[in-house]
Amino acid sequence: SQQGEEDPQALSIQEGENATMNCSYKTSINNLQWYRQNSGRGLVHLILIRSNEREKHSGRLRVTLDTSKKSSSLLITASRAADTASYFCATDARGYGGATNKLIFGTGTLLAVQP
Amino acid sequence: EAQVTQNPRYLITVTGKKLTVTCSQNMNHEYMSWYRQDPGLGLRQIYYSMNVEVTDKGDVPEGYKVSRKEKRNFPLILESPSPNQTSLYFCASSSRTVSNQPQHFGDGTRLSIL
Repeated sequence: SQQGEEDPQALSIQEGENATMNCSYKTSINNLQWYRQNSGRGLVHLILIRSNEREKHSGRLRVTLDTSKKSSSLLITASRAADTASYFCATDARGYGGATNKLIFGTGTLLAVQP
Repeated sequence: EAQVTQNPRYLITVTGKKLTVTCSQNMNHEYMSWYRQDPGLGLRQIYYSMNVEVTDKGDVPEGYKVSRKEKRNFPLILESPSPNQTSLYFCASSSRTVSNQPQHFGDGTRLSIL
């Protein structure tokens, strides 16, 4: 079963609006990462947040982590057409037999930003 | 330029014909991994390697083989491909443990097994 589940599966917004995507996971983690995938391309790392952090910023990106709820959110502010992509959360596998050498990806949120 | 290079990018082949997808990284990364991406299932790990001559199964290793004879290369081998292995494949690498390091991905290999 998937460790990470993104919500919503798809999101369509207008340029300039904010986009929020959520990720829920099942077991304890050390870190959570967010990735972007443009159509037909490989994934690109966006941001990593550690389990002892609650919020992290990178440019127009804001990530929050609530370990008590086993959830994270990715906020993209002032979205642009170029932000159109799929977004994935990935967690390390702590709790799956204690291993930390695997990343488990969610199924992704498809974001469409209309110009 | 730091990159992960996969070849080929696209391949259409037939059931049972052995194929190899190559992956090479120029960042001196210790950790390398193969994933497959299928609609509705996200990315699933096939195999990973913590270092040269060290490989381990991921979540969906059946029907695949890997080797890690050199640090920079991590080929994925399908000895007898079947149609259920039709998928989009990604190679990724990172320094040391994947847990707290960003993964660098190749651009993918789209395989169609007829």
